[in-house]
Amino acid sequence: GDSVTQMEGPVTLSEEAFLTINCTYTATGYPSLFWYVQYPGEGLQLLLKATKADDKGSNKGFEATYRKETTSFHLEKGSVQVSDSAVYFCALSVITGGFKTIFGAGTRLFVKA
Amino acid sequence: NAGVTQTPKFRVLKTGQSMTLLCAQDMNHEYMYWYRQDPGMGLRLIHYSVGEGTTAKGEVPDGYNVSRLKKQNFLLGLESAAPSQTSVYFCASSYPGQGAIGSPLHFGNGTRLTVT
Repeated sequence: GDSVTQMEGPVTLSEEAFLTINCTYTATGYPSLFWYVQYPGEGLQLLLKATKADDKGSNKGFEATYRKETTSFHLEKGSVQVSDSAVYFCALSVITGGFKTIFGAGTRLFVKA
Repeated sequence: NAGVTQTPKFRVLKTGQSMTLLCAQDMNHEYMYWYRQDPGMGLRLIHYSVGEGTTAKGEVPDGYNVSRLKKQNFLLGLESAAPSQTSVYFCASSYPGQGAIGSPLHFGNGTRLTVT
């Protein structure tokens, strides 16, 4: 079945460090891929997305490239800030068997000043 | 600019009690969803609706019922609460349109439910 696997956390970084959060997926159809971010006490909000192979989604300094050959959508940021501390979810949407969105387990990021 | 609003924000129930969680969206979205979030398990879909008057089961529907009588509202009911239903519940909506699978979900801020 369709699934999303992302690296376990927590990830702890110092301010201005480089961030990578790995995400791989399994899908029977041709999915769209998303990264969502959840700040404490809030719901998830869209960070970026990509809808076809080799597309790069970007927002607020974060980037992720849709790699069909490796079924991956890794999240990167060149220089993290304390304000980036949150939980990050990788997700996919497919239309096989009805429209659905499937989430990874989430990766908690702590950024120290 | 309300977006998706969930009520209540917090609730404590005793085993066997019932309650209804309300979700309201003002974006004219067709699709609405209820998820539960548990530590280490991401979000799991409970039920969803693709339009007014329709509902469908998600991944973990047992113990829950839903109704979508109006397009803007999606209700989640627990008829007889159990401790296993202690979780954070999120409502979301989306407007797939032509680019269905590229449409993101818009989430409420969640309801934290504890069943003792």
